[in-house]
Amino acid sequence: QSALTQPASVSGSPGQSITISCTGTSSDVGGYNYVSWYQQHPGKAPKLMIYEVRNRPSGVSHRFSGSKSGNTASLTISGLQAEDEADYYCSSYTSGSIHYVFGIGTKVTVL
Amino acid sequence: QVQLQESGPGLVKPSQTLSLTCTVSGDYISSSGYYWSWIRQLPGKGLEWIGYIYYSGVTYYNPSLRSRLNISVDTSKNQFSLNLNSVTAADTAVYYCARVKTTVATVDYWGQGTLVTVS
Repeated sequence: QSALTQPASVSGSPGQSITISCTGTSSDVGGYNYVSWYQQHPGKAPKLMIYEVRNRPSGVSHRFSGSKSGNTASLTISGLQAEDEADYYCSSYTSGSIHYVFGIGTKVTVL
Repeated sequence: QVQLQESGPGLVKPSQTLSLTCTVSGDYISSSGYYWSWIRQLPGKGLEWIGYIYYSGVTYYNPSLRSRLNISVDTSKNQFSLNLNSVTAADTAVYYCARVKTTVATVDYWGQGTLVTVS
């Protein structure tokens, strides 16, 4: 199956809010409430930030929030901080044979 | 705290087999409700599912890799393994092992990743 579509890059100034979109189809994002978001700093393993569209794991800042409308999920980072500069990947459960699919990734730059 | 650690050669010759093992600590690999997974990241690229295995041995493979791929589990050692044969330079990547929590369809724990170069 095809990777989920994300913008290549998003940027914002410290303190601002940014939103990253993740677009799929009715076979993945639109069909299930199993969208996750991962943060990856250079040279590091990804870290789970959001699961089941909008749930935060313990220890993840409240500045990170998730939502979904139709076939598009979104990750919003509020009060942008320098440490938020990283790559962000969405993932969704899918009816495809592998059951899971990642987005192509979005590079977040803090200006 | 669950920890996953990849191990295996960092350099593999073309046409040979890439073999990695993931050792799990802090949880039993035979616990129900989890898939034990392999994910890779090509240089400068995004994440790609390779495949995953349930403790019972049931496997799910990425169709694009299925013909070259074998994932196995050893519950006695609390390990699972990846074998990818007939590798080419296109298989050069950072390989991660990870745990998928099936009830919420998310990767909740990742290994640190290991770079495997095919050359």
